[in-house]
Amino acid sequence: DTEVTQTPKHLVMGMTNKKSLKCEQHMGHRAMYWYKQKAKKPPELMFVYSYEKLSINESVPSRFSPECPNSSLLNLHLHALQPEDSALYLCASSQEGGWGNQPQHFGDGTRLSIL
Amino acid sequence: AQSVAQPEDQVNVAEGNPLTVKCTYSVSGNPYLFWYVQYPNRGLQFLLKYITGDNLVKGSYGFEAEFNKSQTSFHLKKPSALVSDSALYFCAVRDPKYGGATNKLIFGTGTLLAVQP
Repeated sequence: DTEVTQTPKHLVMGMTNKKSLKCEQHMGHRAMYWYKQKAKKPPELMFVYSYEKLSINESVPSRFSPECPNSSLLNLHLHALQPEDSALYLCASSQEGGWGNQPQHFGDGTRLSIL
Repeated sequence: AQSVAQPEDQVNVAEGNPLTVKCTYSVSGNPYLFWYVQYPNRGLQFLLKYITGDNLVKGSYGFEAEFNKSQTSFHLKKPSALVSDSALYFCAVRDPKYGGATNKLIFGTGTLLAVQP
């Protein structure tokens, strides 16, 4: 069982819909991440939150909107997505400190399909 | 520019034989290196890391990796492969541009390990 929980596991939406992805961790980690992964490719970083503040935005289109309501929760709000946005969306978290020597812990992802 | 290379898209090995999955890196300063494994329909699972110290790092599920600074390599190894080891393996290095709680990883392209019974 993973310690990072993502819901829903699967999501199908039309290009005009609005939906949200949710990620939750209770390991006390203060950094949380959103990744996009295409089949058999490495994950692509989208956003990083550090102590509930957005610290990295990898030039992600505005149709993706992240939110970190508290230290345990991370949301990704979706609006007006394109077919090429269909992918596996992974959430991860890591401990602070050590200047990046802590591993990231990943959830099992939300498989998103855009019709 | 910082980068990670996994030169083999796929590695085939017979069950019971030793396996090696190759990784080389290019990064400024001392590298923080990681191996992750991804099973079908799952997220990435952390296997092991090298930060400093002993060049041979032991990790989960019997895997180990050898850090070689002169060859800038961090190859993943296992003495005896299992069919259940079949999965997608990613090598990653921490991007030194970021610090503190933010750990941005630069991933290799991944290597699909297929273990035949």
